[in-house]
Amino acid sequence: KAGVTQTPRYLIKTRGQQVTLSCSPISGHRSVSWYQQTPGQGLQFLFEYFSETQRNKGNFPGRFSGRQFSNSRSEMNVSTLELGDSALYLCASSSAGTSGGSSYNEQFFGPGTRLTVL
Amino acid sequence: GQNIDQPTEMTATEGAIVQINCTYQTSGFNGLFWYQQHAGEAPTFLSYNVLDGLEEKGRFSSFLSRSKGYSYLLLKELQMKDSASYLCAVFSGNTGKLIFGQGTTLQVKP
Repeated sequence: KAGVTQTPRYLIKTRGQQVTLSCSPISGHRSVSWYQQTPGQGLQFLFEYFSETQRNKGNFPGRFSGRQFSNSRSEMNVSTLELGDSALYLCASSSAGTSGGSSYNEQFFGPGTRLTVL
Repeated sequence: GQNIDQPTEMTATEGAIVQINCTYQTSGFNGLFWYQQHAGEAPTFLSYNVLDGLEEKGRFSSFLSRSKGYSYLLLKELQMKDSASYLCAVFSGNTGKLIFGQGTTLQVKP
């Protein structure tokens, strides 16, 4: 079974630009979560999508958005990039997801997209 | 609020045993996870504890005390490849979110 894939792996942008990152979950997984990882803040939860609906959201500004398609693939978009957005963006898929108080299923992480904002 | 604390760095010797501690405060606790992350790679799942006690899996064991808001990851017979960052994460059933600690960077020396 193929793992979680993310594209692109590396990206360099300048302030003010926007970026779209893509995540393909493990086949059969319907939940995709996105995280931002920086040396200072660690892994921080951005949002979770399940069956094309955003089911949970972290404490990030509205510049960060996402969506999920019917095949469970997900994209996240960051508009008006700032220097502080430089980070490793990780997505993780699971079969049932994390929300609604349901039993938790293990999350499988992709390799991440390293975004550098100049 | 939710808070997870773990040491920033630890050093241990090959063949030894090391214990990485994690303390947490969260509402609606519904499980604690340990992940391993090598530099430049994705986190990989190590263990999951939802009930008090010790879970053993090969050289790795994880312990949980819900009343104390405390967990530890025990690594035995350390190998050089165990040099990595170890992330403690808590799932809150109230918020439906998996909250990660900052991670503990473990360096294994010969």
